Amino acid sequence: ETGVTQTPRHLVMGMTNKKSLKCEQHLGHNAMYWYKQSAKKPLELMFVYNFKEQTENNSVPSRFSPECPNSSHLFLHLHTLQPEDSALYLCASSQEYTVEETQYFGPGTRLLVL
Amino acid sequence: DQQVKQNSPSLSVQEGRISILNCDYTNSMFDYFLWYKKYPAEGPTFLISISSIKDKNEDGRFTVFLNKSAKHLSLHIVPSQPGDSAVYFCAASGGSSNTGKLIFGQGTTLQVKP
Repeated sequence: ETGVTQTPRHLVMGMTNKKSLKCEQHLGHNAMYWYKQSAKKPLELMFVYNFKEQTENNSVPSRFSPECPNSSHLFLHLHTLQPEDSALYLCASSQEYTVEETQYFGPGTRLLVL
Repeated sequence: DQQVKQNSPSLSVQEGRISILNCDYTNSMFDYFLWYKKYPAEGPTFLISISSIKDKNEDGRFTVFLNKSAKHLSLHIVPSQPGDSAVYFCAASGGSSNTGKLIFGQGTTLQVKP
């Protein structure tokens, strides 16, 4: 496996469910990101982990809970979501959390909340 | 308030002609700009970037122009090829923090017709 992988690729969940999105990067990077892309809206940064420490939380509701156990893995734990949380969730990584370092994106998880 | 705007949701050009994608921003603190390309079912991939100390950056068929006074940047693709058909996102970063935090536009879908 190379690059940034995300599982699952598609997820349908009810508002009372608990699920987790997984991201893995095989690039040896130190920074990892979660983005959300809703229909017809720009990509929105949700969380950033740099050297396993959370450095950005872009006012994300607590029903989204990130976890970064090591520099290669990033999770997004979901619970009691709302239908408006339906979106494409993208993971990315970069060597460091600086603008000069290119962010490499995974293919995303398409989430539908019923 | 959207700080990075791509006002054209879509653009259609003939193969071999020039494609021009536009992006406007409102925050004068932005000092680094990027373009990403996204194919369906894939994550965005980095295309080209420009620092605010420059007004032009070229990479093969792709050239980005920056007009700081107008807070406007554009991506030129010459000549356009059918494989360039994708969604193009501009993004901006900047300020005193020098982090990798990117603000994205909502994207322009480019279709290059054979």
